[in-house]
Amino acid sequence: AQSVAQPEDQVNVAEGNPLTVKCTYSVSGNPYLFWYVQYPNRGLQFLLKYITGDNLVKGSYGFEAEFNKSQTSFHLKKPSALVSDSALYFCAVRTTDSWGKLQFGAGTQVVVTP
Amino acid sequence: DAGITQSPRHKVTETGTPVTLRCHQTENHRYMYWYRQDPGHGLRLIHYSYGVKDTDKGEVSDGYSVSRSKTEDFLLTLESATSSQTSVYFCAISYSGTSGRREQFFGPGTRLTVL
Repeated sequence: AQSVAQPEDQVNVAEGNPLTVKCTYSVSGNPYLFWYVQYPNRGLQFLLKYITGDNLVKGSYGFEAEFNKSQTSFHLKKPSALVSDSALYFCAVRTTDSWGKLQFGAGTQVVVTP
Repeated sequence: DAGITQSPRHKVTETGTPVTLRCHQTENHRYMYWYRQDPGHGLRLIHYSYGVKDTDKGEVSDGYSVSRSKTEDFLLTLESATSSQTSVYFCAISYSGTSGRREQFFGPGTRLTVL
């Protein structure tokens, strides 16, 4: 069985400071990992993904994520947070079958204060 | 939202009544999914479809049924709604992105309240 964990319910950061949202995973085989963001009263928007290759993945809105196989982690990062980054962030892993299903973490609320 | 619409966007209903939510896509993608979102649980898969009349159960399928008679429409039915089904429901499609691997794209969601 595979699983995804987001250990922090909420992350608070001041605008301009670095932002990190943590994600750890458990899968058999090669992981396909994703980050999505949800703004208030909106659907989920795709941020970035790791399939294979470079461990540092760059995505939308200045976000990047670092894949660490030994620590089974896929942390989302942004060097300088904006107030507009305040949202709910989800880490997800794709199932190893062929149906493309996603298993999500519980989500981390990011609050960026001016 | 990748050409995905959901209807209705909001619904309030009473316990025991049937409810059908509709997901419509305009790009003829084969794979479609229904998730529910609840605080502390993230999104959990209810049912998915890999083609017309081809559907299967997800993680939390009890109390839900689906139908897909046309490629563009994926219907989620609560045969007899219960308060535990109060949630936000998201439809998703997936198709191969630039990586050659399927990525999922989500609709705007339906907020369902069961009184």
